[in-house]
Amino acid sequence: DAGVIQSPRHEVTEMGQEVTLRCKPISGHNSLFWYRQTMMRGLELLIYFNNNVPIDDSGMPEDRFSAKMPNASFSTLKIQPSEPRDSAVYFCASSFSTLYSGTQYFGPGTRLLVL
Amino acid sequence: EDKVVQSPLSLVVHEGDTVTLNCSYEVTNFRSLLWYKQEKKAPTFLFMLTSSGIEKKSGRLSSILDKKELFSILNITATQTGDSAVYLCAVVNAGGTSYGKLTFGQGTILTVHP
Repeated sequence: DAGVIQSPRHEVTEMGQEVTLRCKPISGHNSLFWYRQTMMRGLELLIYFNNNVPIDDSGMPEDRFSAKMPNASFSTLKIQPSEPRDSAVYFCASSFSTLYSGTQYFGPGTRLLVL
Repeated sequence: EDKVVQSPLSLVVHEGDTVTLNCSYEVTNFRSLLWYKQEKKAPTFLFMLTSSGIEKKSGRLSSILDKKELFSILNITATQTGDSAVYLCAVVNAGGTSYGKLTFGQGTILTVHP
């Protein structure tokens, strides 16, 4: 298996632009997680899905952030409009089970820089 | 608000040393505690602990949870340069749902010199 796939690996954009991050979980996994990591705030869970349904999005910073999972093999995290403070590494992870009962496998991350 | 505090923040040792990393937490409805290792890129899962006093072991790494005193330790024996990484601790709050919330600590940066 190729593992969790994220794209793009790097994104540089200007403030106000829309940014879409993509994730393909490991085949057969039924839970998907989006994380953000910065030096200041460390690693934060933004949202997670179980069986394609968003379970908890309380970690999503504000309305500018949205996430979708239209099917078991694809998810997006969108930021519109982007701001410089959104600059971070965004990780997607998947697991075969729920948040506290399964090993999570992380993707390589998308490094986002908003100018 | 749930809180996870790791110590030390950084640690420098030589190959062959044994290290102990600490994680203390405050959570309203504890479900589990997770340890991750993060090298240059993405975190990799090490252990999940749910029961007090039961040691989890994987090679030279082991971890144990004390739910009464609200902490966990991660031990690495006979350290190698490949153990150099950031070690992250996270707790899951079961909350009011069946899935829970996850909070990470700030991490411990471990550097192992040859």
